[in-house]
Amino acid sequence: KQEVTQIPAALSVPEGENLVLNCSFTDSAIYNLQWFRQDPGKGLTSLLLIQSSQREQTSGRLNASLDKSSGRSTLYIAASQPGDSATYLCAVRVGVWDMRFGAGTRLTVKP
Amino acid sequence: DVKVTQSSRYLVKRTGEKVFLECVQDMDHENMFWYRQDPGLGLRLIYFSYDVKMKEKGDIPEGYSVSREKKERFSLILESASTNQTSMYLCASSGGTSSMSYEQYFGPGTRLTVT
Repeated sequence: KQEVTQIPAALSVPEGENLVLNCSFTDSAIYNLQWFRQDPGKGLTSLLLIQSSQREQTSGRLNASLDKSSGRSTLYIAASQPGDSATYLCAVRVGVWDMRFGAGTRLTVKP
Repeated sequence: DVKVTQSSRYLVKRTGEKVFLECVQDMDHENMFWYRQDPGLGLRLIYFSYDVKMKEKGDIPEGYSVSREKKERFSLILESASTNQTSMYLCASSGGTSSMSYEQYFGPGTRLTVT
């Protein structure tokens, strides 16, 4: 059974820092991996999707990498801002309709 | 932009009531999903649908049913609400074989409280 783990569970950094969020999964047989942002009490916003054949995706200050063989993905956030404060979730698609989610990393960026 | 909307942001119902949660997407997506999100348990899939009138059970279907009469609309039904169904409910949609993307897009969520 696919297990998705995100470490750390919470992270607090000063504004302007570059930071890395980690996601690991136990089974490398995935179709894709998706990173989401969730603000308190809100739904999930898709940030980046990496297909299994890709190594990385970039959007603005965000860069996500995927190493399928080692079961790892990282989300790099450059020059963090207080508005980046949210919970970040990763999810892997293991079947046509089956996605497995990590528990998330709660990020706080202090002004 | 893909838009997934849910009928209510907050809902308070009494034990035993029948509850309907509605979800509508405007991107002609084949697939639609209902999840619940609870602290410490993460997102868990309740039901999904890959076509009109088609539905499949997810990980925790007990106590729930679904309906998909039109492609853009997917309803979650709590036949007799119980306090352990108090949760955040999230609807999502994704393209299927037509787009080959399968990227999931989520609605804003419905916070349901059953008293």
